[in-house]
Amino acid sequence: NAGVMQNPRHLVRRRGQEARLRCSPMKGHSHVYWYRQLPEEGLKFMVYLQKENIIDESGMPKERFSAEFPKEGPSILRIQQVVRGDSAAYFCASSPTDRGLSMNTEAFFGQGTRLTVV
Amino acid sequence: QKEVEQDPGPLSVPEGAIVSLNCTYSNSAFQYFMWYRQYSRKGPELLMYTYSSGNKEDGRFTAQVDKSSKYISLFIRDSQPSDSATYLCAMSAGYGGATNKLIFGTGTLLAVQP
Repeated sequence: NAGVMQNPRHLVRRRGQEARLRCSPMKGHSHVYWYRQLPEEGLKFMVYLQKENIIDESGMPKERFSAEFPKEGPSILRIQQVVRGDSAAYFCASSPTDRGLSMNTEAFFGQGTRLTVV
Repeated sequence: QKEVEQDPGPLSVPEGAIVSLNCTYSNSAFQYFMWYRQYSRKGPELLMYTYSSGNKEDGRFTAQVDKSSKYISLFIRDSQPSDSATYLCAMSAGYGGATNKLIFGTGTLLAVQP
């Protein structure tokens, strides 16, 4: 019973390139959340998606960042024209319902993708 | 002012000590309170979840919520070196749509010395 799978685990991009981060939720989960963790900071909410829908993108930067969760396949967080400030750990989490991560259930965070922009 | 404040530490204690970790918050809409443990270069894992004010115990861990003071705590009894990690408090206004996103504290780095 695989957990939330994120790939790649580590990603190095040069300034100006595009970064694509993938998240496969746990089997049967149709709700995905993306969080970003900067050094010395806690996790910051970015976006909440259901299959084919963006529910809450209030934490997403207005430019260069986009996310999708298609009917088939993993959720993708896309960062265009990366800058050094995008270097961070990006975590994905999933849940089976719209009750999100607030219920007392097994933790559903992935291991994260560590993006380094050089 | 941040919505959730947490002392970053680091906190160093001897094995067997009682550890107290705390967070304060400013948003009265928060209804759900969680503690996550995060080992270095790993994803967060849920330790404790509470809804109402009061105490909740699970093994060596006790979570405490005081909504009137907007203050939550996590106590670890008989701490072990394997408890060494970063502890993150997290809060949510509820579930359904945009309200179930988690707001995290910055995390407290704990080191339990053998």
